[in-house]
Amino acid sequence: ETGVTQSPTHLIKTRGQQVTLRCSSQSGHNTVSWYQQALGQGPQFIFQYYREEENGRGNFPPRFSGLQFPNYSSELNVNALELDDSALYLCASSLGQGPSPLHFGNGTRLTVT
Amino acid sequence: TQLLEQSPQFLSIQEGENLTVYCNSSSVFSSLQWYRQEPGEGPVLLVTVVTGGEVKKLKRLTFQFGDARKDSSLHITAAQPGDTGLYLCAGGGNFNKFYFGSGTKLNVKP
Repeated sequence: ETGVTQSPTHLIKTRGQQVTLRCSSQSGHNTVSWYQQALGQGPQFIFQYYREEENGRGNFPPRFSGLQFPNYSSELNVNALELDDSALYLCASSLGQGPSPLHFGNGTRLTVT
Repeated sequence: TQLLEQSPQFLSIQEGENLTVYCNSSSVFSSLQWYRQEPGEGPVLLVTVVTGGEVKKLKRLTFQFGDARKDSSLHITAAQPGDTGLYLCAGGGNFNKFYFGSGTKLNVKP
């Protein structure tokens, strides 16, 4: 069973740039959720994708967008990066839309300078 | 503003001591999960509780969900250095969307 993998592991960008983060879900999982974890905080829900469609969104501006592909892998795109976007971005896969365990990857550490 | 408040934020204890971590909210959740996160890694699920008043045990860890499904506690008996990490509670909403607390950072000294 392959776990959740995220790439890249670390990234440094400049304010105003755009970034794409990638996630491969655990085999058999069809739902991917993205979370932002600032230093010293718990993860904050960004959005969720189920069967290639956005299925719930947290309190994040439209410059945070995503995609899910037919193989259930996913991308998180952030446009017009701001300093406050510096955080650990976590991808979690799960099965279906009901309450089921989230399986997290190890995250992408994004630093915006 | 965090939907879930965890306390204490930091806890440093000696090996062998007992401890309790609390997770409180004014909201009702359909389920509540506890995770442990180690530096450089994603959170790992420890337990899911879904019924008010439910108690689950996982070796030396005891989890309780409040009767009103608004709060939860995690009790560790005879803590070991391997228990060191960030403990996160997460309340379940619609569509498997979870609201996380800020976490309790536990350090168990040998």
